[in-house]
Amino acid sequence: SQTIHQWPATLVQPVGSPLSLECTVEGTSNPNLYWYRQAAGRGLQLLFYSVGIGQISSEVPQNLSASRPQDRQFILSSKKLLLSDSGFYLCAWSVPGAGRFAEAFFGQGTRLTVV
Amino acid sequence: GESVGLHLPTLSVQEGDNSIINCAYSNSASDYFIWYKQESGKGPQFIIDIRSNMDKRQGQRVTVLLNKTVKHLSLQIAATQPGDSAVYFCAEIPPGGGFKTIFGAGTRLFVKA
Repeated sequence: SQTIHQWPATLVQPVGSPLSLECTVEGTSNPNLYWYRQAAGRGLQLLFYSVGIGQISSEVPQNLSASRPQDRQFILSSKKLLLSDSGFYLCAWSVPGAGRFAEAFFGQGTRLTVV
Repeated sequence: GESVGLHLPTLSVQEGDNSIINCAYSNSASDYFIWYKQESGKGPQFIIDIRSNMDKRQGQRVTVLLNKTVKHLSLQIAATQPGDSAVYFCAEIPPGGGFKTIFGAGTRLFVKA
């Protein structure tokens, strides 16, 4: 069966420090991968998605970047965190080739607090 | 847990009653819809989906209704249990694909024992 791991669960970082959140998927090959941010009282906002190694698409301009160094590994990074980067970050994957009639499977999320 | 849901609409029901959670979607071209459940401190989980060629789909204790005329989606939970307490949100997928999914903000369901 497929599983998705996301870590850390919580993170407190000072303004200006770097960030690295990691997500890995097991049990499937070439998944579509996503990074979302979830703000209080609002819907999920797609930050990045990837259809393959090294292929990253960004949905919104921001202080963050994403990389996919391996097929089932997706990393969310920042060189210098801002206070506005605080939030709940979710990694997700979906079945490749299933088109748009496919659900997303989410990780447990990372609560990032920038202080 | 995460602070998502601090300002969400809230539905409070008695254990054993039926729950109805509503969602208005935005894009009339969307033709695939998903309901997710998110428990405190966890990631969202798939509950049930429906394509636009249907107006009703049933799962185990859950039913999704789709009204394309008014762009409305609802989730019905039968015999609500304490374990159903969570934030529920809908997602609409337009022809642009899963990457264009639009997620609703959600409704917090409280189940009173």
